[in-house]
Amino acid sequence: GAVVSQHPSRVICKSGTSVKIECRSLDFQATTMFWYRQFPKQSLMLMATSNEGSKATYEQGVEKDKFLINHASLTLSTLTVTSAHPEDSSFYICSTGSKSGGTDTQYFGPGTRLTVL
Amino acid sequence: GNSVTQMEGPVTLSEEAFLTINCTYTATGYPSLFWYVQYPGEGLQLLLKATKADDKGSNKGFEATYRKETTSFHLEKGSVQVSDSAVYFCALSGGSSGSRLTFGEGTQLTVNP
Repeated sequence: GAVVSQHPSRVICKSGTSVKIECRSLDFQATTMFWYRQFPKQSLMLMATSNEGSKATYEQGVEKDKFLINHASLTLSTLTVTSAHPEDSSFYICSTGSKSGGTDTQYFGPGTRLTVL
Repeated sequence: GNSVTQMEGPVTLSEEAFLTINCTYTATGYPSLFWYVQYPGEGLQLLLKATKADDKGSNKGFEATYRKETTSFHLEKGSVQVSDSAVYFCALSGGSSGSRLTFGEGTQLTVNP
């Protein structure tokens, strides 16, 4: 399957600052990437779908001005949490879509743990 | 819309016990079905998948069969190990959701030696 990396793996920041998380597809070109948020002991919540060269598609209830997504190349998508607050503390996971055996399959990055003080 | 329902956890087993984690789904069309595993502090790893009715996905001793008549994709393993302790997510894509994944709630599995 596809190999996906995220950076950083952990970040701690002060309230009011902005944090950028990178998601890289290491072994294939990804026209579509997905960003998820996961709260402790819960399932993944899709935040947005990132499309290379165009604007991201946000899920209902997700503030696009707070969670800025940029997919400038076929191997890199970034999520910037702007003016972070403690309630933004969470585990953020990206994934890329890949055709595997004719089926769209998502492969996930290792996640980024964000803690806002 | 699409939805996935997993058996409630947590599940605690002794090593070498038989594992079943139930998963049922609701979807239009012909979805693809997946099981993902998440180890503590990590992202999700694809465990297995099935793309059409009666397909059996298998990997690392785990199996799941796509049952369209019962809309189910139950995960099974004949003999679990301590290293299988993780959270398991059932998911589907396709149908009305296209390539987007719809996840179940996740089932925490703990295997004791």
